[in-house]
Amino acid sequence: SAVISQKPSRDICQRGTSLTIQCQVDSQVTMMFWYRQQPGQSLTLIATANQGSEATYESGFVIDKFPISRPNLTFSTLTVSNLSPEDSSIYLCSVLPTGTHSYEQYFGPGTRLTVT
Amino acid sequence: AQRVTQPEKLLSVFKGAPVELKCNYSYSGSPELFWYVQYSRQRLQLLLRHISRESIKGFTADLNKGETSFHLKKPFAQEEDSAMYYCALSATQGAQKLVFGQGTRLTINP
Repeated sequence: SAVISQKPSRDICQRGTSLTIQCQVDSQVTMMFWYRQQPGQSLTLIATANQGSEATYESGFVIDKFPISRPNLTFSTLTVSNLSPEDSSIYLCSVLPTGTHSYEQYFGPGTRLTVT
Repeated sequence: AQRVTQPEKLLSVFKGAPVELKCNYSYSGSPELFWYVQYSRQRLQLLLRHISRESIKGFTADLNKGETSFHLKKPFAQEEDSAMYYCALSATQGAQKLVFGQGTRLTINP
């Protein structure tokens, strides 16, 4: 298993600014993921962050808007840039523990972002 | 493209009654299907996956490839089952990229 913490837990930001969300895991993992959950909507995968390589973005998400860092096997950050009200969402980090039989993603508590 | 549909946003049943949360998917290959659950004030967690064919907390789910469904069932609902339930699909082995359904909020009435 894996225990994940996210900072901040919530924030209110002004339009045009940026917010960086941190994700910390209590064990080394190869694969980390960032999801967005817009109000009343399901979770949508933003990108996969693997240590030592560039993040892989899903259709509709670009690096300029959602830059991701993955400096080591226990930490990642997601920045949401040039904020607009449409970015108001819950952002979740998840990990897939290392191992050939890994099938369970563990999720962080989420970061609730409100853009005014 | 992969897609997961949960037709019911809200489902309310009485304690002791049977529960069925519906999930349909579209994917041309052989997907892995999962049910995730989020209890009040807790984080999202895996409930079960189709490959294991196990019963967790009395819940079971059978993958029906002909109907492209993965419905979640429990014969006798309990109040602690009240939660948000998400059906998810992975097109890759090992549950890497998950595509989630819209979720169903299940309420068990006493």
